Amino acid sequence: AQSVTQLDSQVPVFEEAPVELRCNYSSSVSVYLFWYVQYPNQGLQLLLKYLSGSTLVKGINGFEAEFNKSQTSFHLRKPSVHISDTAEYFCAVSDRGGDSWGKLQFGAGTQVVVTP
Amino acid sequence: GAGVSQSPSNKVTEKGKDVELRCDPISGHTALYWYRQRLGQGLEFLIYFQGNSAPDKSGLPSDRFSAERTGESVSTLTIQRTQQEDSAVYLCASSLTRGGLGEQFFGPGTRLTVL
Repeated sequence: AQSVTQLDSQVPVFEEAPVELRCNYSSSVSVYLFWYVQYPNQGLQLLLKYLSGSTLVKGINGFEAEFNKSQTSFHLRKPSVHISDTAEYFCAVSDRGGDSWGKLQFGAGTQVVVTP
Repeated sequence: GAGVSQSPSNKVTEKGKDVELRCDPISGHTALYWYRQRLGQGLEFLIYFQGNSAPDKSGLPSDRFSAERTGESVSTLTIQRTQQEDSAVYLCASSLTRGGLGEQFFGPGTRLTVL
């Protein structure tokens, strides 16, 4: 069984400041990892994903995330945020095989509020 | 189509009524997923369709929930005898193939309010 924990429900940040959103997961098998963003009144959009290879993954809009297998984490970072980054961010996990393969298990989300 | 579409965008219903939610996946996507997003919570998996295989219904919360999909096209999620705890945003997603290699593309959702 999988679980995903996003440690912060809300993160206020000033424009042009860096931001880090934390995500930890647990699974009995190897996983794929994802970050999705949900802008106000819009559907979810994929920011980035880790499938294999380099543990540092770069996504859209200047975001990046690092997979740490020993700490079972997949934290999301951006060195300088914009007002337009105000949104809810979801970390998600999918088993690489087995009965749960293909199903995404989501964290509860982190609301990022960027202020001038 | 250009993306996943869902209808209606909003649905208000009275407790005890049945509702039907529709999802049009991206053309050619064999996998289709339904999720539920309750206020302040993450997405909760409901059901998954892959081509003509039997659907994975393991996430359906009760027998009041059911879903159908015809081939690789439209899917409908039906909630019978709605309860107030069914109030949520219901999201549909599709992907080219099953699994993590196939990015899931999400629709805008249907916001269901049960009075």
